[in-house]
Amino acid sequence: IAGITQAPTSQILAAGRRMTLRCTQDMRHNAMYWYRQDLGLGLRLIHYSNTAGTTGKGEVPDGYSVSRANTDDFPLTLASAVPSQTSVYFCASSTGQGDSPLHFGNGTRLTVT
Amino acid sequence: GESVGLHLPTLSVQEGDNSIINCAYSNSASDYFIWYKQESGKGPQFIIDIRSNMDKRQGQRVTVLLNKTVKHLSLQIAATQPGDSAVYFCAENRGSGYSTLTFGKGTMLLVSP
Repeated sequence: IAGITQAPTSQILAAGRRMTLRCTQDMRHNAMYWYRQDLGLGLRLIHYSNTAGTTGKGEVPDGYSVSRANTDDFPLTLASAVPSQTSVYFCASSTGQGDSPLHFGNGTRLTVT
Repeated sequence: GESVGLHLPTLSVQEGDNSIINCAYSNSASDYFIWYKQESGKGPQFIIDIRSNMDKRQGQRVTVLLNKTVKHLSLQIAATQPGDSAVYFCAENRGSGYSTLTFGKGTMLLVSP
């Protein structure tokens, strides 16, 4: 089934550790996005990529980095995790055109202790 | 309507009733609007969208109404079913791509059999 695959599904991580959240799409979408979802705050954009080889900062980029080496993969890295990064992380993709739907993965639930 | 705190507003309906979920958006320059459904433990799922040059758009059992004068968006679900129980949230966008997409905080819909 075509879509977005995120891994892991959930993770408990000690503060200060490095972690990479994986995201793969098989829809050949140009654009990919990382959001975090926190109760009371909704979905907030962390980083995005309009096409392979380019990335941009969203609303809450601090403490996160991304890379887009190819069309399908868009990993999100926490270089040194902190408790405030405890959240549910969603990867999404779109064709990149303004009126096409944004497709989401099922998320990674991350707890930083 | 949209949440202003930690607790999501909740709409409780009986199976078979029609449901109306409201959203006030913030930016008068927004030209594209989307409704998403999010079930527990899953990523947001696209329901329906509408561009600012339209007032109404219908899908299967769902209708979105847009009132640009008061910056208000609503989602109407006909003959609500227990499977419609989820959190619904609107998103507004301006321009192409989704780096400027802004999400509301959501309304929880509870459907009783």
